[in-house]
Amino acid sequence: RKEVEQDPGPFNVPEGATVAFNCTYSNSASQSFFWYRQDCRKEPKLLMSVYSSGNEDGRFTAQLNRASQYISLLIRDSKLSDSATYLCVVNDNTGFQKLVFGTGTRLLVSP
Amino acid sequence: AAGVIQSPRHLIKEKRETATLKCYPIPRHDTVYWYQQGPGQDPQFLISFYEKMQSDKGSIPDRFSAQQFSDYHSELNMSSLELGDSALYFCASSLRGGPGLVFSDTQYFGPGTRLTVL
Repeated sequence: RKEVEQDPGPFNVPEGATVAFNCTYSNSASQSFFWYRQDCRKEPKLLMSVYSSGNEDGRFTAQLNRASQYISLLIRDSKLSDSATYLCVVNDNTGFQKLVFGTGTRLLVSP
Repeated sequence: AAGVIQSPRHLIKEKRETATLKCYPIPRHDTVYWYQQGPGQDPQFLISFYEKMQSDKGSIPDRFSAQQFSDYHSELNMSSLELGDSALYFCASSLRGGPGLVFSDTQYFGPGTRLTVL
């Protein structure tokens, strides 16, 4: 079982739709949580950090449930440019904060 | 703003050859991480350095070694290359800080080096 699990998708949605991604992690000691976005053959780019209280950045909302070890990302009013793979990432909180990645959820936004 | 720089961007090698990948972190960042991403896979942590000392080690083969230099750039040395080493190699940097400084665990990734082993 992977330490960080995501639904691989793909999620095919029309422009303007709202889409939600979920992620579970197994290491209860993890302290930091992130969503990264990765376009094909490019580097992961930080989308947002995830805080216990939940946080929002424009059309993107992230939630963290430590008790259930569950992280979510909500994208409202999807744009064509949102098409990418979304990586759920946690730090393993041992030593120097190496990141553990989920396998990613692929999003395809169509006109 | 300056980002993480990696070189070369593309590298083609034969089996059993050696390769050296370079990473220049964001200015003032003190921690460097190396990740390997195989085709269709998620990035896997290899090794990290903080203030020029190895700080953590992941699934890095014994054929690979790395170091961080006084100017904070890092090099990943890969020897006896195998076909399975073909992958994207990402470097990331962060500002861990030290006593009295602000600690941040946010990692910023470079564009990667695509290594192909023939």
